[in-house]
Amino acid sequence: DGGITQSPKYLFRKEGQNVTLSCEQNLNHDAMYWYRQDPGQGLRLIYYSQIVNDFQKGDIAEGYSVSREKKESFPLTVTSAQKNPTAFYLCASSVTGLDNSPLHFGNGTRLTVT
Amino acid sequence: AQKITQTQPGMFVQEKEAVTLDCTYDTSDQSYGLFWYKQPSSGEMIFLIYQGSYDEQNATEGRYSLNFQKARKSANLVISASQLGDSAMYFCAMRSPWSGSEKLVFGKGTKLTVNP
Repeated sequence: DGGITQSPKYLFRKEGQNVTLSCEQNLNHDAMYWYRQDPGQGLRLIYYSQIVNDFQKGDIAEGYSVSREKKESFPLTVTSAQKNPTAFYLCASSVTGLDNSPLHFGNGTRLTVT
Repeated sequence: AQKITQTQPGMFVQEKEAVTLDCTYDTSDQSYGLFWYKQPSSGEMIFLIYQGSYDEQNATEGRYSLNFQKARKSANLVISASQLGDSAMYFCAMRSPWSGSEKLVFGKGTKLTVNP
């Protein structure tokens, strides 16, 4: 079955360390996204990519970096510059160019930094 | 800039009754799509229903329907015959790919609790 795989489900890191969250999709979607979710804040867009080798900053990109070397993969690195990295991170993908195309989400990675 | 507002942080409903979750949006785009997602406590985001800005009829998907009032810029979700499994967070979202961006903008969500 096609879908989006995020790994790991839970991740623990010490403050000051960079950490990379994995996101892989086999839906053949061009667009991929990273959202961050905090309690009471809804989902906020970190980065998105509409095509391989290209990506754009979202609303809260500071302290994060991404790469899009393959269509299937869109890893997110949480750097030590991110002031409050503890959160639930959701990866998604979609078809491009259609306003009726929903985002398909992975099951998320819960990152805890102490 | 696009914005989604969900004014109800929490809602309660009795099992088997209907409930309406509010969503208003702000955009200057003429063509856009509106989405509702459900997020159970397990965390996954489940797509429920879609409404296009040019759709003349309200969208329906099983027990879910969307009360779309374009002039008021509202897209309320109606859940009929609530079930205990409907207890979850519900998010309204919007995208306008023709404005050059594929991103989906989300509201802050409404927590629905279905009581037995």
